[in-house]
Amino acid sequence: EDKVVQSPLSLVVHEGDTVTLNCSYEVTNFRSLLWYKQEKKAPTFLFMLTSSGIEKKSGRLSSILDKKELFSILNITATQTGDSAVYLCAGGGATNKLIFGTGTLLAVQP
Amino acid sequence: DGGITQSPKYLFRKEGQNVTLSCEQNLNHDAMYWYRQDPGQGLRLIYYSQIVNDFQKGDIAEGYSVSREKKESFPLTVTSAQKNPTAFYLCASSIRTGRSGANVLTFGAGSRLTVL
Repeated sequence: EDKVVQSPLSLVVHEGDTVTLNCSYEVTNFRSLLWYKQEKKAPTFLFMLTSSGIEKKSGRLSSILDKKELFSILNITATQTGDSAVYLCAGGGATNKLIFGTGTLLAVQP
Repeated sequence: DGGITQSPKYLFRKEGQNVTLSCEQNLNHDAMYWYRQDPGQGLRLIYYSQIVNDFQKGDIAEGYSVSREKKESFPLTVTSAQKNPTAFYLCASSIRTGRSGANVLTFGAGSRLTVL
């Protein structure tokens, strides 16, 4: 059975800290790993990773995929209160279906 | 602006009643999806549709039904057979996948259903 596991389930940090969110996956015919940020309602897309070892970066956020270890991380540097959200990881196989993890709840305190 | 519109945002229903959640997109996406989100369980796929007049069950389809008569619309009916319908429901869409596999999903703002 396909599954995506995220850790930690929740995290509390202070502004300026750097955080690393983890995502491991077991997806049949794996094609892509996606990260989303969900603040209150609609998840918003952050990254899609398909190639191992290539870092994707957007401002203070970056992500990398390790296809050998079936693992991805999402890094956030110099965290701000606006980074507080649930971060969702999802694995995609050969079909349109995405398998989501339970998410990591990040709280950034001033 | 292109996007996905879900309605209603909040809905209350009594046990034994069916309720239909609306999802409309103007992104010209071929594929549409319904997910259910519960605390501590992430997003679980209910139904998805890759083209008009065709749809497939997801992981938790029991107690739900859908239709895809138009490309823009993918309504979800929560029937009285659904044992625990109280949840947050998210609709999403994407371009139809090719050989590269899963594509980026665009989500609506969600509908929160509460059964009294």
